[in-house]
Amino acid sequence: DIQMTQSPSSLSASVGDRVTITCRASQGIRNDLGWYQQKPGKAPKRLIYAASSLQSGVPSRFSGSGSGTEFTLTISSLQPEDFATYYCLQHNSYPPTFGPGTKVDIK
Amino acid sequence: QVQLQESGPGLVKPSQTLSLTCTVSGGSISSGGYYWNWIRQHPGKGLEWIGYVFYSGSTYYNPSLRSRVTISLDTSKNQFSLNLSSVTAADTAVYYCARAERMDVWGQGTTVTVSS
Repeated sequence: DIQMTQSPSSLSASVGDRVTITCRASQGIRNDLGWYQQKPGKAPKRLIYAASSLQSGVPSRFSGSGSGTEFTLTISSLQPEDFATYYCLQHNSYPPTFGPGTKVDIK
Repeated sequence: QVQLQESGPGLVKPSQTLSLTCTVSGGSISSGGYYWNWIRQHPGKGLEWIGYVFYSGSTYYNPSLRSRVTISLDTSKNQFSLNLSSVTAADTAVYYCARAERMDVWGQGTTVTVSS
């Protein structure tokens, strides 16, 4: 299985801050990666697909980059509704595997 | 707009079979060439992919659960189902269904507790 790691595991930030989350794959996955946002009691919501494509309806302050083994999710200006846990997902090879998550909370 | 909705018992006894259904609305389950997935999330933990059924009916399961999992399609009802046998407390989780390899659309999730 491809192992996905995320860093940091948690972070505290203020409204307006620029936030970057990193996801690393244990082997190359091209750009077969998505980013998800999950709020308590809710299902994950896809933000980014194909590593850097913005899901329709998702604010443009979210962006993704990377290819191969290292990927980043950036929130350019954190908003109150962005406090949540973020997961990456690789679907390059089976089984698909998720990162362990990054919890973003209020400083 | 495709929507997915999970349903099934919220409580299952140890050693029994957990059975859940995902109803798809806004699109046909048998067209579009999609994979239909089940994923679970243990309390306070991360996400674990369980398996998929392809629109053609072929399946693939997570090796860690393969011996206990069956996923099937019911095209007449536009549904797909998960059966997980011989459950234990470790199978207590929120279970989600999701569309496609890229898991673009998710159901809201259903909580299943394994307890006597």
